[in-house]
Amino acid sequence: DTEVTQTPKHLVMGMTNKKSLKCEQHMGHRAMYWYKQKAKKPPELMFVYSYEKLSINESVPSRFSPECPNSSLLNLHLHALQPEDSALYLCASSQDPGTDYGYTFGSGTRLTVV
Amino acid sequence: GQNIDQPTEMTATEGAIVQINCTYQTSGFNGLFWYQQHAGEAPTFLSYNVLDGLEEKGRFSSFLSRSKGYSYLLLKELQMKDSASYLCAVRDRNYGQNFVFGPGTRLSVLP
Repeated sequence: DTEVTQTPKHLVMGMTNKKSLKCEQHMGHRAMYWYKQKAKKPPELMFVYSYEKLSINESVPSRFSPECPNSSLLNLHLHALQPEDSALYLCASSQDPGTDYGYTFGSGTRLTVV
Repeated sequence: GQNIDQPTEMTATEGAIVQINCTYQTSGFNGLFWYQQHAGEAPTFLSYNVLDGLEEKGRFSSFLSRSKGYSYLLLKELQMKDSASYLCAVRDRNYGQNFVFGPGTRLSVLP
């Protein structure tokens, strides 16, 4: 298995809802990442988990809450989002944080906040 | 901090060669990656340079000059399916060895 799987592919949620994005990989990668990408912009790093520990939190608002239950799974819990949070949310993984082999990205969850 | 620059858009003809440039400034440089991203899809890894010189992979080549803070991605024998955004990403020791992505270059390949 050489993929990063993200679910759901599309999500529409209201500003008072609570939802979760899920990411899964079975490549034995020990680093996992959440990125946010707005239209026609590059991905922006949100969180990094290295060996299941949160190593980087890029000053992301607390309405985004990451969770890494085990080395294969990464969740992003969403609560009280704003319309400006609408974006493509990408999960990625790598063998380790300093990899020479680049990241493997999932196909993303397209989130719309109404 | 990081400052990565790429041209916003480029246009080329099927069968031609195109060079996409990337310049960067950081004191913690530890590798440069190129990614391809089709509209609405995930980025896919194309190439990696950490030492000066040219890396060739089929129709794609990537060049790095660390002293100049400069890289380019060379695409040969362009095909329509090469129409995509091309992102350079710099791995930065000052950033926990994580990537900072450049703004991306949208390439349109015309028949």
